[in-house]
Amino acid sequence: QKEVEQNSGPLSVPEGAIASLNCTYSDRGSQSFFWYRQYSGKSPELIMFIYSNGDKEDGRFTAQLNKASQYVSLLIRDSQPSDSATYLCAVNMYYRGTSYDKVIFGPGTSLSVIP
Amino acid sequence: EAQVTQNPRYLITVTGKKLTVTCSQNMNHEYMSWYRQDPGLGLRQIYYSMNVEVTDKGDVPEGYKVSRKEKRNFPLILESPSPNQTSLYFCASSLMAGVRYNEQFFGPGTRLTVL
Repeated sequence: QKEVEQNSGPLSVPEGAIASLNCTYSDRGSQSFFWYRQYSGKSPELIMFIYSNGDKEDGRFTAQLNKASQYVSLLIRDSQPSDSATYLCAVNMYYRGTSYDKVIFGPGTSLSVIP
Repeated sequence: EAQVTQNPRYLITVTGKKLTVTCSQNMNHEYMSWYRQDPGLGLRQIYYSMNVEVTDKGDVPEGYKVSRKEKRNFPLILESPSPNQTSLYFCASSLMAGVRYNEQFFGPGTRLTVL
């Protein structure tokens, strides 16, 4: 069974601090990695996407990927109360020329940013 | 407006009564998918479709059927619903399958209760 795991949370950080969210995956065939944010009662929306080892920055968000350790993380700098949500890690596995193209989500980490 | 729509948004039904949840996207996306979301388990993929007439099982396909007769529509069918299918269901679509960047756009969700 291919699995994606996340730190269970809830995670609480003070406003202005760095929030660190972690995700590990079991299948080395995984090719693309996504972080989605989901506000309570709403649909998930994409925050970051990464597929190469290293860091990728977009505004206050940085995604980090380490394929050797099968680990992907999301850092949120200068956390704001509006960042309070559940963060979902997703892993995409596909094989070109086939109909295999699955997406597996982790259980999510709840983040609360305290003013 | 580019969007994924689902109907109905809320449904209460009884065990064994066949139901269909519709999903439609207006973005000409190739890839469509159904997920269920349960507390502590995150989003789990039920079925996905890479294009018209091409569908494949996700991680939890038992008790569900899908069809993809048109590119824009991807209905989810429960032939004989049972209480363990009580859940929040999301339909999602993305531009292409089998590529690294597979951002999914989610519908608003359908909350299903099976008594």
